[in-house]
Amino acid sequence: SQELEQSPQSLIVQEGKNLTINCTSSKTLYGLYWYKQKYGEGLIFLMMLQKGGEEKSHEKITAKLDEKKQQSSLHITASQPSHAGIYLCGADLPSLRFGAGTRLTVKP
Amino acid sequence: EPEVTQTPSHQVTQMGQEVILRCVPISNHLYFYWYRQILGQKVEFLVSFYNNEISEKSEIFDDQFSVERPDGSNFTLKIRSTKLEDSAMYFCASMGAGYEQYFGPGTRLTVT
Repeated sequence: SQELEQSPQSLIVQEGKNLTINCTSSKTLYGLYWYKQKYGEGLIFLMMLQKGGEEKSHEKITAKLDEKKQQSSLHITASQPSHAGIYLCGADLPSLRFGAGTRLTVKP
Repeated sequence: EPEVTQTPSHQVTQMGQEVILRCVPISNHLYFYWYRQILGQKVEFLVSFYNNEISEKSEIFDDQFSVERPDGSNFTLKIRSTKLEDSAMYFCASMGAGYEQYFGPGTRLTVT
């Protein structure tokens, strides 16, 4: 089955800074999901990417699936404290396997 | 906006007891899932359900687990005889034709 590695494991940024989180797969990705999770809570769907080279944006969050379809990046522009949480990538449709997550802290 | 709901939010049970976790998926979705997350660990896939039958299950989903869609709206996960290691957050998810998979808020199961 799919193995997903996320980097970095944790990230602390100053409010207003940009940041990137990466998700690398052991296999070709045919559907890559990004979720956000606050500690002890459910997963909030951010976006799904299916095609190599596809890029989607939602508010200040942009995600891209690379051409070779084995890596995805999530980029946050001008981070806010509300962006804090754990970002998870999931793949291996239809029954998702997840990476370990990247814990983001945004300092005001 | 439609959402997946789960009840109860927290369930405490004694080892060996049966528990039923309930989920109401988004109404026009056809694919349903259960995942679990042990505290501090990854979200793990348990089982997927489509067309009133299990379509895939992980090695975690052994004979102690079962799923059911008893009516047109509910989707349940039953654990027959709970063990301490079943303590986790259990998430239900549903997916529609667009492949967007939405998760519920989770049920925290504590086995004592």
